[in-house]
Order: sequence, then C-alpha cells, then structure tokens
Amino acid sequence: DAMVIQNPRYQVTQFGKPVTLSCSQTLNHNVMYWYQQKSSQAPKLLFHYYDKDFNNEADTPDNFQSRRPNTSFCFLDIRSPGLGDAAMYLCATSREAGSLNYGYTFGSGTRLTVV
Amino acid sequence: QKEVEQNSGPLSVPEGAIASLNCTYSDRGSQSFFWYRQYSGKSPELIMFIYSNGDKEDGRFTAQLNKASQYVSLLIRDSQPSDSATYLCAVYNQGGKLIFGQGTELSVKP
Repeated sequence: DAMVIQNPRYQVTQFGKPVTLSCSQTLNHNVMYWYQQKSSQAPKLLFHYYDKDFNNEADTPDNFQSRRPNTSFCFLDIRSPGLGDAAMYLCATSREAGSLNYGYTFGSGTRLTVV
Repeated sequence: QKEVEQNSGPLSVPEGAIASLNCTYSDRGSQSFFWYRQYSGKSPELIMFIYSNGDKEDGRFTAQLNKASQYVSLLIRDSQPSDSATYLCAVYNQGGKLIFGQGTELSVKP
C-alpha cells in the first residue's frame, strides 16, 4: 500500500546530541511537511518542501534543519536537542501545494524524548 | 487570536448520542476545511473535508461549513466508544498552509 513511513517510531536522545528523524513516501507526492506536536497541543508546521524548494516557517528555530535528497525521502535534523524539543514529530505529504480537495497524508510519527 | 480555535473539552457523550464538535477560524479567505481524528499517541487520520457552505455527509459523520460566520463543525451520529479520540480541525489558509486547532477530546461512554 502507498503510504508515508516514519522511522523510528520512538527516539531517545541525549540533551545536545544531534538527532535525525526520517520520512519516506511511496505516494509520489510533490510536497512534504514536518510538523511538531507537543502534548495536548495543535500540530505546528516547521517547514515544507515543494519538490526541492525548501520553505521555512518564520518561527522555526535554527536548531531545526531539513533535507530532501529525492522525491521519496525527507529528513529532520535537530542539531542540539533541548528538553523543550521533546514532542511527536509528524511527517505529511500532499499531492500539490494549494490543493483544495486533498488533506495531507500523515506518517505514524516519531516520538522524541530528550534526556 | 489563534488562526483556528476549538474547545479543548473533554466532551463526554453517551453511546448512541450525537457528538457535536465546533471550530472557528480567523482567515476569511480560507478555502478548505478538514477534520482529523487522532487517537492517543497516534498520528492524525483524515475523516472529512469540506469547501462549500452547507452540509456534507459521509456515513455517521456530517461536516457543516458557514463561511460568513467563519465556523465549521463536525457531527457524529450514533457515537461509539471507538469514536473516543481527539478531533482536530484544520484550515487551509490563503497562505497555502494547513493550520490546525488544538483539538477537542471526545469521550463516548458505553
């Protein structure tokens, strides 16, 4: 089945130790997104790629970076995780940006714990 | 003012009742509106989308949109315990971004 896959499901990292979360998709969607969701809060958009074009949200900390080496894969790099970065990280895709009728397809998420 | 606002709940309804979930949004130019269901520790799952004023029905779910009032709602008929989850309202705004509300926790009691 076509889907969005995130690895790992659970990630524990040490304070200040760089960590990378991965996302892959078999939907051949042009747009990939990274959201951060803290407990009992709305998912918050960090950035998105339209094809190879990177779009950063204005309030996304510099500590967060992203790479999209090809259509199928997208990575979230946290250079120096702090305790406040503990959250669920959600990868999502959409066929096109500005699609009226299509919601995003989400991966299963990666729960990040910082110790 | 948040772009998308929902009552956080929890909203508790008995099994078989109608659950009514509400959402308001601030960007008057928004065109598309989505309801996602999120079980605890899981990722959001799309339930319905709506983009025209009025009602849209899909099985036990009905989405209602009133653009003049900047209001969208989700009705769940014949609520089941398996419907217990957090329901996220999401709005596709003029900036081309999907903005989420914080979600309403629904609890359906047997």
